[in-house]
Amino acid sequence: EAQVTQNPRYLITVTGKKLTVTCSQNMNHEYMSWYRQDPGLGLRQIYYSMNVEVTDKGDVPEGYKVSRKEKRNFPLILESPSPNQTSLYFCASQGAGNTIYFGEGSWLTVV
Amino acid sequence: AQSVTQLGSHVSVSEGALVLLRCNYSSSVPPYLFWYVQYPNQGLQLLLKYTSAATLVKGINGFEAEFKKSETSFHLTKPSAHMSDAAEYFCAVSEGTSYDKVIFGPGTSLSVIP
Repeated sequence: EAQVTQNPRYLITVTGKKLTVTCSQNMNHEYMSWYRQDPGLGLRQIYYSMNVEVTDKGDVPEGYKVSRKEKRNFPLILESPSPNQTSLYFCASQGAGNTIYFGEGSWLTVV
Repeated sequence: AQSVTQLGSHVSVSEGALVLLRCNYSSSVPPYLFWYVQYPNQGLQLLLKYTSAATLVKGINGFEAEFKKSETSFHLTKPSAHMSDAAEYFCAVSEGTSYDKVIFGPGTSLSVIP
């Protein structure tokens, strides 16, 4: 079964405490992305990766980092989280025809 | 550059009534077009997509969408709403080449009234 798995699903953290959201896909896709979803703004791309060791900024990259050391994994790193990063985050894997497969989402609250 | 607009951030229909969710796009090249659905507390899943084959596209759960180039529209319809259709719906567009960036609209929340 095609799957994108992200963890944790729910997280409350404090301002400035580094955190990592992991993401893994089992479809052998080269293209992976991170999105954040905020009310009224839809989904905005944070970072994307076209292949191993190839990453690039999306529309809202400030405050985030990513890495792509293996094809299946694409973690999202918040080095110093701030309250404006409170959001719902989705990892996504993109296949042929640009069909996107999403993870179930990670609810992040920064207090 | 592509963009997507969805008319109506919230739509309410009665159970059994027609569902019509509007999507207009802009693209300088022939696009791929998508509708995704997000049920409460879940990720997004593909409902249907258009990739330049038939202009009327059928998706899951009885939904369909028609690509109208002259109107730059890709509206989503379902003849008879069911309570289980209550969800957030996102229209999206990409260029008609693989591995291109997908741009999402702001979403339309559908409520179904019993």
